[in-house]
Amino acid sequence: LAKTTQPISMDSYEGQEVNITCSHNNIATNDYITWYQQFPSQGPRFIIQGYKTKVTNEVASLFIPADRKSSTLSLPRVSLSDTAVYYCLVGERDTGRRALTFGSGTRLQVQP
Amino acid sequence: EAQVTQNPRYLITVTGKKLTVTCSQNMNHEYMSWYRQDPGLGLRQIYYSMNVEVTDKGDVPEGYKVSRKEKRNFPLILESPSPNQTSLYFCASRSDLIAEQYFGPGTRLTVT
Repeated sequence: LAKTTQPISMDSYEGQEVNITCSHNNIATNDYITWYQQFPSQGPRFIIQGYKTKVTNEVASLFIPADRKSSTLSLPRVSLSDTAVYYCLVGERDTGRRALTFGSGTRLQVQP
Repeated sequence: EAQVTQNPRYLITVTGKKLTVTCSQNMNHEYMSWYRQDPGLGLRQIYYSMNVEVTDKGDVPEGYKVSRKEKRNFPLILESPSPNQTSLYFCASRSDLIAEQYFGPGTRLTVT
């Protein structure tokens, strides 16, 4: 089971780019990297998923180096509404077993 | 609208009184999971199901039961609730093991 390590918290200001890095040293060949966002008292919401290199959608970018032992979620020009907890997850091999264990996440606080 | 619903959203009960939290999804997803979330511990998986009549334990299954008699429903059963099961519970579904998970709105359970 691939374990992930993220910073516990980060602070930023409105309009800045925020990069949250996740370490997953024992990622397996078939594992995908997925990021979720969670607001207080709500269920997590999918942000982005990738396997290697770079993935971009309308919300964020995900950078994955060649060794795949880490990944970086990039949020361009954050706003106050981006204040949330961000989870990095690594998917297990598709053996039919459970996948994607949530860690403690990174609490992002965006200030005006 | 694609969604996962949970009921009830809030529940206060007493030790030992059996309860069921319902979960239903309208996306025809095969995979469903139950999580509990406690301060400082992130989300921990309780049980998961890969299809009808196929369920397995997650990280913290003690004190819980589940059933999957229909594809859309995945109820969580607490036969004899105890105060240490006071938590925020989330149900989630996905179409396959690496697809994004859709989370329900959460059920806040208090056991006195």
